Amino acid sequence: AQKITQTQPGMFVQEKEAVTLDCTYDTSDPSYGLFWYKQPSSGEMIFLIYQGSYDQQNATEGRYSLNFQKARKSANLVISASQLGDSAMYFCAMGGGYQKVTFGTGTKLQVIP
Amino acid sequence: ETGVTQTPRHLVMGMTNKKSLKCEQHLGHNAMYWYKQSAKKPLELMFVYNFKEQTENNSVPSRFSPECPNSSHLFLHLHTLQPEDSALYLCASSQERGGETQYFGPGTRLLVL
Repeated sequence: AQKITQTQPGMFVQEKEAVTLDCTYDTSDPSYGLFWYKQPSSGEMIFLIYQGSYDQQNATEGRYSLNFQKARKSANLVISASQLGDSAMYFCAMGGGYQKVTFGTGTKLQVIP
Repeated sequence: ETGVTQTPRHLVMGMTNKKSLKCEQHLGHNAMYWYKQSAKKPLELMFVYNFKEQTENNSVPSRFSPECPNSSHLFLHLHTLQPEDSALYLCASSQERGGETQYFGPGTRLLVL
């Protein structure tokens, strides 16, 4: 069984600063993928970034990077140069093989001007 | 239209009404999903369709009835709902069923009176 844990229900960050959102996972699958989604107040889940378990390098997409530490089973999301539009819920998720994608409980990020 | 679309975006219905939610994906994907997102609860997977065949039903009450006429369209038929069914219903699609990146629609906010 897969499990995703997000321990930060809410986070604040100053505009233009970097912020790290924590995510730990547990799985017995040797091959899996890790995802981060952003959900603004409008409701849509927006795919941000993906990391495969066998990828050698940490994934990056613009201002988003995934700090993947396999031995620690963590997949933290780093947002650099925060913007007011980054205020939203952020969900960590994982999937592997034919396992369904499992989502964490989310972290609410608020960017302060 | 691109991506995943959902209609209606908002729906208010009485407990005796019958309504349907529609989802359409323009990504050429073969798998489609229905999720329920209630306040302060993790995202709940309801149904999975792969190549038009239902591959997963997560113990969803029979008052929710999915239909997938083709790989691009997914419906959720609602009848005799309860107030606790009020939630955001999200549709998603992926290339194939499994742990792949899912792309979500904007959701339908449902209120059952």
